[in-house]
Amino acid sequence: QQPVQSPQAVILREGEDAVINCSSSKALYSVHWYRQKHGEAPVFLMILLKGGEQKGHDKISASFNEKKQQSSLYLTASQLSYSGTYFCGTVSPTGANNLFFGTGTRLTVIP
Amino acid sequence: NAGVTQTPKFRVLKTGQSMTLLCAQDMNHEYMYWYRQDPGMGLRLIHYSVGEGTTAKGEVPDGYNVSRLKKQNFLLGLESAAPSQTSVYFCASSYMASGSEQFFGPGTRLTVL
Repeated sequence: QQPVQSPQAVILREGEDAVINCSSSKALYSVHWYRQKHGEAPVFLMILLKGGEQKGHDKISASFNEKKQQSSLYLTASQLSYSGTYFCGTVSPTGANNLFFGTGTRLTVIP
Repeated sequence: NAGVTQTPKFRVLKTGQSMTLLCAQDMNHEYMYWYRQDPGMGLRLIHYSVGEGTTAKGEVPDGYNVSRLKKQNFLLGLESAAPSQTSVYFCASSYMASGSEQFFGPGTRLTVL
C-alpha cells in the first residue's frame, strides 16, 4: 500500500521550480505531505482531503487528483531552506488510522 | 509546550536484549503512533493508539509490543531485539485520525548488534 514517489532525488539551483509526484495503486481518502531535514523529525506541510483540492503554503503548493489516485507537490522559486527529503503519506477510505508513507524525494537546493 | 518527546535518543543493544522506548506528548492528543525509518524505506507504521487504553497493529508490528496506560504516554517495547530492528524510531501524535497533521518526536536511533 506504500505510495510511489518520483523523482527519487532532484537538485535545483535557487529560484528554480520542482514538482514531486505521489501515486497510489489504491483509492485515496487523503494525502499528507511532510518534509524532513537530515537528522531531524518529519515536519508537516499540508493535507489534502478532497479530490481536486489544492493548497498552498508560502511558495509550496499541492494538488490531489482523486480519480488518478495521485498528488503532486509544487515548489516554486526554491530557496536553500527547501532542501530536505519530502514524503507523501496516503490514507485509504478503509484504513483511516493508517498513514502509508512513500520512500521520499531528496531535494537539494544549491546557490 | 514540549510537543512530542522521546527517550532515549540513542541506544545500543545486543541481540536478545529487551528495551522500552518512551514517547510523551503534552498536546492532549488522542492518537499516537510509532514508526520506524530505514534507509530507502520511508516511514513505516509499527503500532498506533486511538486513545488511552487502546492499541492496534500497523504495517510492521512483529517483534514489538506497545502500551498506552496514560493518554500522554505511548510505550514501545522490544522483547528480544534482533539486528533487523536496527532503525530510527519516531513517535507521533495527532488530534484526529487521518484528517489532521501528525506531530513527530525527535526520534530514537537504535542499533542492535
